[in-house]
Amino acid sequence: DAKTTQPTSMDCAEGRAANLPCNHSTISGNEYVYWYRQIHSQGPQYIIHGLKNNETNEMASLIITEDRKSSTLILPHATLRDTAVYYCIVSRRENTNAGKSTFGDGTTLTVKP
Amino acid sequence: EPEVTQTPSHQVTQMGQEVILRCVPISNHLYFYWYRQILGQKVEFLVSFYNNEISEKSEIFDDQFSVERPDGSNFTLKIRSTKLEDSAMYFCASSLHGANTEAFFGQGTRLTVV
Repeated sequence: DAKTTQPTSMDCAEGRAANLPCNHSTISGNEYVYWYRQIHSQGPQYIIHGLKNNETNEMASLIITEDRKSSTLILPHATLRDTAVYYCIVSRRENTNAGKSTFGDGTTLTVKP
Repeated sequence: EPEVTQTPSHQVTQMGQEVILRCVPISNHLYFYWYRQILGQKVEFLVSFYNNEISEKSEIFDDQFSVERPDGSNFTLKIRSTKLEDSAMYFCASSLHGANTEAFFGQGTRLTVV
């Protein structure tokens, strides 16, 4: 699985958009970009994933650059409960293989009032 | 909403003892995982399981560890002879498919080896 690079920490004001960047310059064509978060030692929580196109769900949006070497997770209106460590993971998963997620250090997002 | 359930939430055991950590994955999921997180460190992959066999394992998952799906609903992680350094939070996860699907994680079992 390709390696990812994320900033160690970021702050965001409550109610504003949080934009979390991730570099994955060695990503290969069949690898997906996944985002998870971990709130204070709870189990990691899935947020969103994508292959090439931008994706949006009820939690967040994922913008992947055209060359797929980087992506940005956007939380459109951050709340205090979004304070967590956010992990960007690149993973190849096939129907015949369970695959795995390799968690790095992630970005600690602190949402401030 | 369906969820992955882990028991117990906290287990204290003496060094050298065997422990079994239990997980009930989401019922229609086919892929199962164990991860661990030592306090203050990264979440580390241990093992993945599909079609009643280990799909992939990390170098952490040595002969002291084993996994089993004994009855079609539970997924267990056994540590045969615990060491102090096995103290960690252990997370179970499951996913519907291998490809293009998210993994759902349980809330973890905190294992303390004394």
